[in-house]
Amino acid sequence: GDSVTQMEGPVTLSEEACLTINCTYTATGYPSLFWYVQYPGEGLQLLLKATKADDKGSNKGFEATYRKETTSFHLEKGSVQVSDSAVYFCALSNWAGGSYIPTFGRGTSLIVHP
Amino acid sequence: SQTIHQWPATLVQPVGSPLSLECTVEGTSNPNLYWYRQAAGRGLQLLFYSVGIGQISSEVPQNLSASRPQDRQFILSSKKLLLSDSGFYLCAWMGTGGIYEQYFGPGTRLTVT
Repeated sequence: GDSVTQMEGPVTLSEEACLTINCTYTATGYPSLFWYVQYPGEGLQLLLKATKADDKGSNKGFEATYRKETTSFHLEKGSVQVSDSAVYFCALSNWAGGSYIPTFGRGTSLIVHP
Repeated sequence: SQTIHQWPATLVQPVGSPLSLECTVEGTSNPNLYWYRQAAGRGLQLLFYSVGIGQISSEVPQNLSASRPQDRQFILSSKKLLLSDSGFYLCAWMGTGGIYEQYFGPGTRLTVT
């Protein structure tokens, strides 16, 4: 079946540092790729998305590019803020058994210090 | 716009008691609906999904069951809770615009004592 692997956390950064969270996937066909963010005690929120090879998703200064040749979708931000502290999930949606099935990575905790 | 509700927000239940968690979606019709559990280790475990009224698919065998009595209502139940059922339960629906992204509710924190 499909799988998503993302780097273990926590990732600890100082404010204004650069962020990269690695994500690779295994899937048949052409899945849609996503990054979600979860703040403490809340549900997940869609951060950005990409639906085909070489698409770049972006939102709130975060970016990720759908790389089919390396099956990767790494999350990047040039300058993080304390308010970016959260857990980030890489995910995909793919057609299987008559429906679109989501697959999530285990999540990466980001801690940003002032 | 679409909105997803879950209740209750928090719940403390003794072992062996029944459970009913409810999820409702507004602003969309015939959505695919999902129940997840998130344990302390942060990962999401897909429990059930539904593509329509009365249609339930189970991803893992367990002490829980799900039902979809109405188009925009999804219920997670148990007849007898176990300690291992503790966790953060999330309901989600899937977008229908060809991208298949998910939108999550605020979650229910369940503690089984």
